[in-house]
Amino acid sequence: QKEVEQNSGPLSVPEGAIASLNCTYSDRGSQSFFWYRQYSGKSPELIMFIYSNGDKEDGRFTAQLNKASQYVSLLIRDSQPSDSATYLCAVNGGFSGTYKYIFGTGTRLKVLA
Amino acid sequence: EAGVAQSPRYKIIEKRQSVAFWCNPISGHATLYWYQQILGQGPKLLIQFQNNGVVDDSQLPKDRFSAERLKGVDSTLKIQPAKLEDSAVYLCASSFDASSYNEQFFGPGTRLTVL
Repeated sequence: QKEVEQNSGPLSVPEGAIASLNCTYSDRGSQSFFWYRQYSGKSPELIMFIYSNGDKEDGRFTAQLNKASQYVSLLIRDSQPSDSATYLCAVNGGFSGTYKYIFGTGTRLKVLA
Repeated sequence: EAGVAQSPRYKIIEKRQSVAFWCNPISGHATLYWYQQILGQGPKLLIQFQNNGVVDDSQLPKDRFSAERLKGVDSTLKIQPAKLEDSAVYLCASSFDASSYNEQFFGPGTRLTVL
């Protein structure tokens, strides 16, 4: 089982719709969860982080964390063509005690104008 | 605030040659990471430094890869000899410290092509 799993996509949504990106992780002791956006040919940039169960909102972005289900998601409201990118889920911490980031393979999002 | 700097941005070499990458983290950041990102995959951690000490190098192919962080600031990653499967983008990132709650900031990356 992969440590951090994401559907590779592409996930296609029309402009103005809600895009829902999902991520599951295997280490139940994981402590922090990050969503990065990566445009083609560019390096990852942080969108949001979440540490506690529940929802966290920042503008058009909402991160959701459910530690019991080992599941974290990112919702993008009012999707724009400029949101088209690969979204990487990263998980840190865990029972191993090492503060190491583990990335998923990323989900490619296409927002259709 | 200046970001993470990396050089070179692109490098093309033939297999069995050697190559070195350089990274300068954000000033004051104690933790430095080197990642390998193969096309279509997420970044894979190669090595993590805390100041000038190695925290994790469990995924570093030590028969061909080496890295150092002298004086706890700049870092170099070397591959010798390179293989075709080393073709990837090598990303350097830094964070304030190694706490799991700290954001990582990425450099622009070095795209390596091994022919």
